[in-house]
Amino acid sequence: AAGVIQSPRHLIKEKRETATLKCYPIPRHDTVYWYQQGPGQDPQFLISFYEKMQSDKGSIPDRFSAQQFSDYHSELNMSSLELGDSALYFCASSLLGNTIYFGEGSWLTVV
Amino acid sequence: DAKTTQPPSMDCAEGRAANLPCNHSTISGNEYVYWYRQIHSQGPQYIIHGLKNNETNEMASLIITEDRKSSTLILPHATLRDTAVYYCISYFVIEKLHFGTGTRLTIIP
Repeated sequence: AAGVIQSPRHLIKEKRETATLKCYPIPRHDTVYWYQQGPGQDPQFLISFYEKMQSDKGSIPDRFSAQQFSDYHSELNMSSLELGDSALYFCASSLLGNTIYFGEGSWLTVV
Repeated sequence: DAKTTQPPSMDCAEGRAANLPCNHSTISGNEYVYWYRQIHSQGPQYIIHGLKNNETNEMASLIITEDRKSSTLILPHATLRDTAVYYCISYFVIEKLHFGTGTRLTIIP
């Protein structure tokens, strides 16, 4: 069965640079979620979209933005990167009201 | 989201049943109990969920008490590959998942 696809799997950026992570949800899923997991921490909710509209917002820095496109894929844009942004970023998708499935994550290292 | 509490860590011998408890005493009537696990730095993997009744699938069984204030995830024959952090999450299905600290389960050979 198709799963949530994230790209790139690994990304290295310098401080103050910009990074973009992409997420391709499971086909026919209408909701996308983004999570951040720092070293030794539990996943923290950042933001979600339902039918291309932002549906919920968590502890997402103002330097970060995200959107969901007409084909339902989503992108997380992170600007003015800081060392503390180094983390594993997960995308998840669901058909609203049903089980949420996660991708394998994108490793971001800021140096 | 209702808050859940889980023991921080547990050990289980390989081949035995692993029973992971979860307390969710403030769960509301329309909140489900979901279980996910995360094997080191991989994406959280869905295991099972339930509302009131006990549930079983190819991975595990979920036992929910009649008052719904607690539940137990049962891995019937634990293998080394079941070593992971297990998260019990209660949530209303149109909202996001809120991860607590989970239980670090170690399967011992």
